Amino acid sequence: DAGVTQSPTHLIKTRGQQVTLRCSPKSGHDTVSWYQQALGQGPQFIFQYYEEEERQRGNFPDRFSGHQFPNYSSELNVNALLLGDSALYLCASGRGESYEQYFGPGTRLTVT
Amino acid sequence: AQSVAQPEDQVNVAEGNPLTVKCTYSVSGNPYLFWYVQYPNRGLQFLLKYITGDNLVKGSYGFEAEFNKSQTSFHLKKPSALVSDSALYFCAVRHSSNTGKLIFGQGTTLQVKP
Repeated sequence: DAGVTQSPTHLIKTRGQQVTLRCSPKSGHDTVSWYQQALGQGPQFIFQYYEEEERQRGNFPDRFSGHQFPNYSSELNVNALLLGDSALYLCASGRGESYEQYFGPGTRLTVT
Repeated sequence: AQSVAQPEDQVNVAEGNPLTVKCTYSVSGNPYLFWYVQYPNRGLQFLLKYITGDNLVKGSYGFEAEFNKSQTSFHLKKPSALVSDSALYFCAVRHSSNTGKLIFGQGTTLQVKP
């Protein structure tokens, strides 16, 4: 039974560019949340998707957007990249309103 | 506003000794509390949770945590530390009516020495 998977593992982009990160939830899960973890910090909640809609959003600008597909997989898009967007981006999946979220290995984004 | 504090950046303990990693939280209403562990260049692994019921909850790899409502704390404990327990530990809180958003602490690095 595959856990949460994310792609790519690492990514290097230039300021001003756009990036798309991908996440496949754990089998049987239908909710996907995205977190940003800056170096030396705890993860910060970006948003959550359920039934292909954004259900909750953290304190992130509109440059951060997402999508959930009918198979429950999800994408995180970041436009107009800033140096400060460099971080580990974590995807977490869950089953409806269940308590536990299972995290993927993350995508390390470096903006130069 | 919801928040989580992990007052220690690093905890050092000798192998075989008991360990405690501290966490305090601030949330209105009933909190759901979690501990996660992160190994280098890896995602977060779920250790345990408190939702309701017994204040002492047991989790993976021999870890346990004690919920103390009056002190708004949820300290992580293990009776006998292993070198392989060395990692970064995060405490997180979620409001009972909030299905998605986890609020994480800054993390505590646990170093277990042989």
